[in-house]
Amino acid sequence: GNSVTQMEGPVTLSEEAFLTINCTYTATGYPSLFWYVQYPGEGLQLLLKATKADDKGSNKGFEATYRKETTSFHLEKGSVQVSDSAVYFCALSGETNAGKSTFGDGTTLTVKP
Amino acid sequence: EPEVTQTPSHQVTQMGQEVILRCVPISNHLYFYWYRQILGQKVEFLVSFYNNEISEKSEIFDDQFSVERPDGSNFTLKIRSTKLEDSAMYFCASLPDRGGRTQYFGPGTRLLVL
Repeated sequence: GNSVTQMEGPVTLSEEAFLTINCTYTATGYPSLFWYVQYPGEGLQLLLKATKADDKGSNKGFEATYRKETTSFHLEKGSVQVSDSAVYFCALSGETNAGKSTFGDGTTLTVKP
Repeated sequence: EPEVTQTPSHQVTQMGQEVILRCVPISNHLYFYWYRQILGQKVEFLVSFYNNEISEKSEIFDDQFSVERPDGSNFTLKIRSTKLEDSAMYFCASLPDRGGRTQYFGPGTRLLVL
């Protein structure tokens, strides 16, 4: 079945540091890939997505590139802010399985001033 | 922009009681889902629903769970006899069609079973 493996957390960075959160996946065919962000006590917000190989999703300074050759979708941001502190989930939606999403374990990011 | 809505936002119940969690998906969407997230853990798929029937369910979705789309707008998750381990955040999601694949998630219902 489909699976998503995320870099273990928690991750603690200073403001303006560079962020990478690794995500790799296992899926048949050509899944769509997503990053969601969850702020404390809140629901899931779609951060960015990519639907085919070599697509780059971007939003709010975050980027991730769909790499089919390495089955990866790593999240990056050049300069994090305190307000980026949250839990980040990598997820995929396969070609089959009636569109359901499979999530990684989540990575908690804390950014200190 | 259209949104998925869920009610209630929080619910506290006693073990053994029945609860119904409600969702209003985006109006022209065709596929509906429930997920849950136990505190501090990842989001887990429970069930998908299409054309008024379950299309897939996980091993978590046992006989105590049921889903219904009673009136063409609401999508409900019923837990017949709640257990302590049902305490979690429950998310509803909807999808316009399978080609899109971007699910729209609701804000969640936080369920606490005492």
